[in-house]
Amino acid sequence: GNSVTQMEGPVTLSEEAFLTINCTYTATGYPSLFWYVQYPGEGLQLLLKATKADDKGSNKGFEATYRKETTSFHLEKGSVQVSDSAVYFCALSDPYGGATNKLIFGTGTLLAVQP
Amino acid sequence: EPEVTQTPSHQVTQMGQEVILRCVPISNHLYFYWYRQILGQKVEFLVSFYNNEISEKSEIFDDQFSVERPDGSNFTLKIRSTKLEDSAMYFCATTGGRNTEAFFGQGTRLTVV
Repeated sequence: GNSVTQMEGPVTLSEEAFLTINCTYTATGYPSLFWYVQYPGEGLQLLLKATKADDKGSNKGFEATYRKETTSFHLEKGSVQVSDSAVYFCALSDPYGGATNKLIFGTGTLLAVQP
Repeated sequence: EPEVTQTPSHQVTQMGQEVILRCVPISNHLYFYWYRQILGQKVEFLVSFYNNEISEKSEIFDDQFSVERPDGSNFTLKIRSTKLEDSAMYFCATTGGRNTEAFFGQGTRLTVV
């Protein structure tokens, strides 16, 4: 079945450090891949997505590339800010699997950025 | 910006009681979902709802759970006879179509004591 594995947290970085949060997936079919972010006290927000192999999703300085050969979708940012502190969730959906395009999530990675 | 609203933000209930979690979807959205996250674990799909009926449900979504959209606006999740292991954050999500972005509410933290 489909599944997502992401690195354990928390990840603690100093401001302006480079961020990588690893995400790998197992899927039948051709999934779309997503990163969602949850800021304290808020709901899940879509950060970026990629719908096919070699696509790069990007938003707010974050990037992730859909790597079919390594079944990965690692999240990166060149220079993190304190305001990036949040929980980051990797997720997939198989647009041709199941009736409803549900999302399958990883466990989430807490990022704490210190000034 | 349109948003999904969930109420209450936090509910504490005694074991064996029934709870109803409420969600107001974005007005023109057609697909509705409930997910839950037990503390420290993955966000898990519970159920999806389209055209006033369940379109898919997970193995978690047993007879203890039910969903409905009673008045065409609120989308509710009812949990009957709550158990300690039902304690979790419950998220509502909605989409306008099958392959479009899912918008999530801020979640309801359910604590069963």
